[in-house]
Amino acid sequence: ETGVTQTPRHLVMGMTNKKSLKCEQHLGHNAMYWYKQSAKKPLELMFVYNFKEQTENNSVPSRFSPECPNSSHLFLHLHTLQPEDSALYLCASSQDQWRTGSNTIYFGEGSWLTVV
Amino acid sequence: DAKTTQPNSMESNEEEPVHLPCNHSTISGTDYIHWYRQLPSQGPEYVIHGLTSNVNNRMASLAIAEDRKSSTLILHRATLRDAAVYYCILRPRNTGKLIFGQGTTLQVKP
Repeated sequence: ETGVTQTPRHLVMGMTNKKSLKCEQHLGHNAMYWYKQSAKKPLELMFVYNFKEQTENNSVPSRFSPECPNSSHLFLHLHTLQPEDSALYLCASSQDQWRTGSNTIYFGEGSWLTVV
Repeated sequence: DAKTTQPNSMESNEEEPVHLPCNHSTISGTDYIHWYRQLPSQGPEYVIHGLTSNVNNRMASLAIAEDRKSSTLILHRATLRDAAVYYCILRPRNTGKLIFGQGTTLQVKP
């Protein structure tokens, strides 16, 4: 139990589908993150939210749309994805984005996405 | 962002110490050195972090060179459960971002 829960754990979707990934953290944190992990590539930071405000968009295509309704929940809405978007999508949280030192980031177990 | 260099892979025998090196020659004075690891089919987990002084916790020790251009993660007695990808990451104070590199894949042999 990491305190960061992601659903679904596995998702298969067609290129014309619309789906969403959900993340919930039970740690009282104020910063939440989406990372993408493709095969043979390092984790890529996609989005950062701090106190519900988006502070980072790492040039992510608009077919990925994040939503952070409160500090505990983060969504990634998916629309007209491509097969190359198939990857492990990891959600994470921390006390807040700017806190230094012991600002540990806690990760969920990820959502495995396959686009067919 | 300052970058880190780690060996792609390392092997260790069970119950022996493991020293995982990391070079970060362009580190700035306010960058924290973080180590995370990722076990198979799981998200990364925090291991340890430091700024200038050596650090110990229940999982590992972190030895930081005096000039801070390199660091070493020390697992005192490797177990099979320590087989994972270990990431050495510099965390800039002004952005708070955690940017991952390729990491070191550690294999532990029984």
